[in-house]
Amino acid sequence: AQRVTQPEKLLSVFKGAPVELKCNYSYSGSPELFWYVQYSRQRLQLLLRHISRESIKGFTADLNKGETSFHLKKPFAQEEDSAMYYCAPFNGANSKLTFGKGITLSVRP
Amino acid sequence: KAGVTQTPRYLIKTRGQQVTLSCSPISGHRSVSWYQQTPGQGLQFLFEYFSETQRNKGNFPGRFSGRQFSNSRSEMNVSTLELGDSALYLCASRYQGAGTDTQYFGPGTRLTVL
Repeated sequence: AQRVTQPEKLLSVFKGAPVELKCNYSYSGSPELFWYVQYSRQRLQLLLRHISRESIKGFTADLNKGETSFHLKKPFAQEEDSAMYYCAPFNGANSKLTFGKGITLSVRP
Repeated sequence: KAGVTQTPRYLIKTRGQQVTLSCSPISGHRSVSWYQQTPGQGLQFLFEYFSETQRNKGNFPGRFSGRQFSNSRSEMNVSTLELGDSALYLCASRYQGAGTDTQYFGPGTRLTVL
């Protein structure tokens, strides 16, 4: 069965601290992996995807196929990063994004 | 381009009724997917429509159905509503291009079943 695990529900850090949001997946085949973010009172939006290997808003995510992990990292958190973050593998064959339960990141001043 | 739009934004219904939700994808996007978001189950895939045909389906009962029109707009219908159907229903517009396959979400319709 396809499964995504985000082991923590909440991560609270001070501004300027490093952040790592964990994601582990159990998936058949080679899914494409995404991180989505939902800011307060805003719609779910794409943050980044592993294929593009880009850095968005200072966030990066490395796919580790051996550990089946796709952790999201940022070296220096900002208050505006406070939001709900979802890890989501995508199966193009069945068009299905499988979302983790999500983690709330709270960045304190 | 305008983003994904969903109407209505809020709905209150009673058990046993039926409801229809609407989604307009981003112009040029032909695929629309629907997701249900609840505090307990999180975000779950309902189904996907492409060129007016249901292409994929999640694990939801037959009370949940949908359709897509020739202009790519999609509707989702839930019949014989149950209390457990209370949720945020999200629509996603999918873009498939060279080297990219990405879904863009609408603001959602908040359905409350009393």
